[in-house]
Amino acid sequence: GDSVTQMEGPVTLSEEAFLTINCTYTATGYPSLFWYVQYPGEGLQLLLKATKADDKGSNKGFEATYRKETTSFHLEKGSVQVSDSAVYFCALLNAGNNRKLIWGLGTSLAVNP
Amino acid sequence: GAGVSQSPRYKVAKRGQDVALRCDPISGHVSLFWYQQALGQGPEFLTYFQNEAQLDKSGLPSDRFFAERPEGSVSTLKIQRTQQEDSAVYLCASSSGLRDKQYFGPGTRLTVT
Repeated sequence: GDSVTQMEGPVTLSEEAFLTINCTYTATGYPSLFWYVQYPGEGLQLLLKATKADDKGSNKGFEATYRKETTSFHLEKGSVQVSDSAVYFCALLNAGNNRKLIWGLGTSLAVNP
Repeated sequence: GAGVSQSPRYKVAKRGQDVALRCDPISGHVSLFWYQQALGQGPEFLTYFQNEAQLDKSGLPSDRFFAERPEGSVSTLKIQRTQQEDSAVYLCASSSGLRDKQYFGPGTRLTVT
């Protein structure tokens, strides 16, 4: 079945460091890919998405490119801030799988000043 | 309201009690999803509604779990005879279409003692 694998955390960075959180997937067909973020005490929020190969999703300085050849959707940010501290989830949605999101386990990011 | 709301936000139940968790989706959203998120894990799909029809309940862990959406709007997730392993955050999400992004509520944290 469909699955998502993302790098384990926690990830601890200093402010202004470069961030990469790896995400790879297994799916039939052509899924859409998402990054969700969960800030402390808050609900899940969509951070960015890509619906087809080579699409780049971007938001709030974060980017991820849908790479079909490597089945990856790695999240990157050039300069993290303390306010980026949160848990990040990679997810896929496969229309052939009754539209349910399949999630990675989440990666906790802590950014120190 | 502007977003998905869930109530209660926190629920403590004694083992064996029944609980009912409510989700108010964004007005007009036809799709509604329930997920279970255990501590330190990603969300796991429970069930999906399109309007009042429950199209997929493959993720419900046992027959103690029951969900309904009788008028195609508000949904209730009921757990009968709660067990300790039911302790988790229960997330509700709604979306307006097949590939549209899912908007998440803040979740209900259920603790079974």
